Amino acid sequence: KQEVTQIPAALSVPEGENLVLNCSFTDSAIYNLQWFRQDPGKGLTSLLLIQSSQREQTSGRLNASLDKSSGRSTLYIAASQPGDSATYLCAVSSGDYKLSFGAGTTVTVRA
Amino acid sequence: DGGITQSPKYLFRKEGQNVTLSCEQNLNHDAMYWYRQDPGQGLRLIYYSQIVNDFQKGDIAEGYSVSREKKESFPLTVTSAQKNPTAFYLCASSQGRATFNEQFFGPGTRLTVL
Repeated sequence: KQEVTQIPAALSVPEGENLVLNCSFTDSAIYNLQWFRQDPGKGLTSLLLIQSSQREQTSGRLNASLDKSSGRSTLYIAASQPGDSATYLCAVSSGDYKLSFGAGTTVTVRA
Repeated sequence: DGGITQSPKYLFRKEGQNVTLSCEQNLNHDAMYWYRQDPGQGLRLIYYSQIVNDFQKGDIAEGYSVSREKKESFPLTVTSAQKNPTAFYLCASSQGRATFNEQFFGPGTRLTVL
């Protein structure tokens, strides 16, 4: 069974600092990995999707890397802003229709 | 404006009642999903549907039921057999298999048992 872990559970940084969010998974036989953002009481917004054949994906200030062999992905957010405060979730697809989710990292960016 | 809508936003259920959560998408996606989110936990899959008139159980299907009569709609019924239904429920869809395709989520329904 695929297990996805996100550490730390919470993170607080001053505005302007770069954010580094970690995601690890136990079974390296994945098809893709997706990063999501969730604001309090809201649904999930997809940020980046990395296919298993890719090493990284970039979108604006966001960059996600994938090391399938070691079971790790990292989401980098450059020059953090208070508007980046949210919970960030990673999810992996190991086949069929199922995504396995981590519990998330809650980020607070202090102005 | 394409997307996924869920209704209601908040739902209150009395003990012993069945309630139905609505999920509609206009993205022309084949696959739809229902997840449950509890505080401090990752999302858990309840049911998913690959095509109309077909659906499969996820990890925590007990006490829930679904139907897929139209491509756009995938309602979830929380039955009285679900012992701890208070949670945040999220509906999602994807163009095809989640193996390769991005999942998109609705805004969620918060269900509270009174």
